[in-house]
Amino acid sequence: EAQVTQNPRYLITVTGKKLTVTCSQNMNHEYMSWYRQDPGLGLRQIYYSMNVEVTDKGDVPEGYKVSRKEKRNFPLILESPSPNQTSLYFCASSLFPVDQPQHFGDGTRLSIL
Amino acid sequence: LAKTTQPISMDSYEGQEVNITCSHNNIATNDYITWYQQFPSQGPRFIIQGYKTKVTNEVASLFIPADRKSSTLSLPRVSLSDTAVYYCLVGDGTGDTGRRALTFGSGTRLQVQP
Repeated sequence: EAQVTQNPRYLITVTGKKLTVTCSQNMNHEYMSWYRQDPGLGLRQIYYSMNVEVTDKGDVPEGYKVSRKEKRNFPLILESPSPNQTSLYFCASSLFPVDQPQHFGDGTRLSIL
Repeated sequence: LAKTTQPISMDSYEGQEVNITCSHNNIATNDYITWYQQFPSQGPRFIIQGYKTKVTNEVASLFIPADRKSSTLSLPRVSLSDTAVYYCLVGDGTGDTGRRALTFGSGTRLQVQP
């Protein structure tokens, strides 16, 4: 089954404790991206990657890192999480060019205390 | 970036046709317009995509005027299960090798009543 898998689905942690949210897709998609969703603000893109070893900033990259060492994986790293990063996070992938429909994961709800 | 503007919310009744309009004044020449549907606690799901004029599939129609500065998603005969948030998305067209960020709007919350 074609899917985008995020882990964990839920995480409660404390300020400053590094965390990684994994994202994996099995569709051989070139384009992958991370979004955060906050009430009243819709979906905002954090980072995206057009292919292996190619990443770029979206609209709200501050406080986040990503890597794309393999085509299928695109982890989101919070080196020193802060409470303002409490949010619902979605990973997505699509074929390239990026106008192709995106496939989204089920989301990861992060709470930073 | 090609920003989008949509109504915050809309209400409808079962069986009615619903039209949701999205403004995207800065759309680039090679950008497509894509609409997604999102239910609570789920990731967005692709509905329809178009470049110009009209596109129709089994769930919706998309109308795009000649200037492409707006688009209208049309949902025929909505049901309670169409209650969701609908997002309009345009790409940030800077060319085949340029920056390819994507910008979602804040979405339109559609509430369908019985």
